Amino acid sequence: GQQLNQSPQSMFIQEGEDVSMNCTSSSIFNTWLWYKQDPGEGPVLLIALYKAGELTSNGRLTAQFGITRKDSFLNISASIPSDVGIYFCAGIPPGYSTLTFGKGTMLLVSP
Amino acid sequence: EAQVTQNPRYLITVTGKKLTVTCSQNMNHEYMSWYRQDPGLGLRQIYYSMNVEVTDKGDVPEGYKVSRKEKRNFPLILESPSPNQTSLYFCASSLSVGINTEAFFGQGTRLTVV
Repeated sequence: GQQLNQSPQSMFIQEGEDVSMNCTSSSIFNTWLWYKQDPGEGPVLLIALYKAGELTSNGRLTAQFGITRKDSFLNISASIPSDVGIYFCAGIPPGYSTLTFGKGTMLLVSP
Repeated sequence: EAQVTQNPRYLITVTGKKLTVTCSQNMNHEYMSWYRQDPGLGLRQIYYSMNVEVTDKGDVPEGYKVSRKEKRNFPLILESPSPNQTSLYFCASSLSVGINTEAFFGQGTRLTVV
């Protein structure tokens, strides 16, 4: 199947800092989704992107669908302790009907 | 409340003892799927279903079965569980297959096979 390279694998930051993580692929994707997984819970959708170049915000979160359709990034501004969790990117390549997930970025926020 | 419900949340079983993990969604979604999550490997798809009576293999289907007799239910069956199937399992559903395919996840089932 398709592969998504998500980085960084983990981040340990201070409360109030901004965070950036990204996903890249060697092939193009039609859709990019960003999920957050709290400890002991299932992933929850944060932002969905459907067009190349699209930039979408959800509160302190901003995500962009790369113009080449091969990458996407997620930014979190002014991080707070409840931002702790694993963030996953996911995408749907053309001609496929299933989501491909990145391996996740674990975010730890120190108060 | 729109949700995907999995049961049980936790399960410890012995090698070879058949088990079923249930999944139900109340959103009238056509598309349902099962994933397993393992450290360092992220989420890997086991099986998916585009509609009633339509199922297909995902990336890691070996040792698993599924059925989709009704739109709302998509049980995962392990006929003869083995220790390498110890994992965290998630069921997910989406409105349809297509450009808007935002998946909603259940809370997970942590399975331990001894």
